[in-house]
Amino acid sequence: KNQVEQSPQSLIILEGKNCTLQCNYTVSPFSNLRWYKQDTGRGPVSLTIMTFSENTKSNGRYTATLDADTKQSSLHITASQLSDSASYICVVSPGYSSASKIIFGSGTRLSIRP
Amino acid sequence: EPEVTQTPSHQVTQMGQEVILRCVPISNHLYFYWYRQILGQKVEFLVSFYNNEISEKSEIFDDQFSVERPDGSNFTLKIRSTKLEDSAMYFCAGSWTTETQYFGPGTRLLVL
Repeated sequence: KNQVEQSPQSLIILEGKNCTLQCNYTVSPFSNLRWYKQDTGRGPVSLTIMTFSENTKSNGRYTATLDADTKQSSLHITASQLSDSASYICVVSPGYSSASKIIFGSGTRLSIRP
Repeated sequence: EPEVTQTPSHQVTQMGQEVILRCVPISNHLYFYWYRQILGQKVEFLVSFYNNEISEKSEIFDDQFSVERPDGSNFTLKIRSTKLEDSAMYFCAGSWTTETQYFGPGTRLLVL
């Protein structure tokens, strides 16, 4: 069964610190993996998208990595800011263009404390 | 930067009533979607719409749901007879391809 598992479920860190969020997936075949940021009560906003051949992708202080062999991805946030407090969702698309087959993870709820 | 907009931002309705959720996608998007997210749960796919017709729908999208793009700009989701379990955040999204979707801010629907 195609699944996307994220860890940790929630995380609290101090402002200015770095953190890494994990995503493991069993989706096969694989097309791409995306990380979204979802502020409370808002829609998800795309941070990065990576295909099978990409190992890393950066977007400002956000850096995503992908290991397609082990089916793992991580999102690293550098020098966290209070505005980084949000849920981070890992989304995996299978190897065929089908919106219904896109699988959303449950997200990691990140809280940044001053 | 163009954005997807949704109205209303919040809607409270009585069980059994019809509701229409409205979305204005980014103008040159070709694919349109509705998702929902029950409080504390994952985002769930409802339906995708391309070339003025439904291209895919999930098991959630039963006969009580319908979508329309009546005038080439607005994209609506109608729930004919709401149930308590329809209470959720409903997100509209659009894309140029079937890859990265751009989500709207959502409509929070509460069915009493």
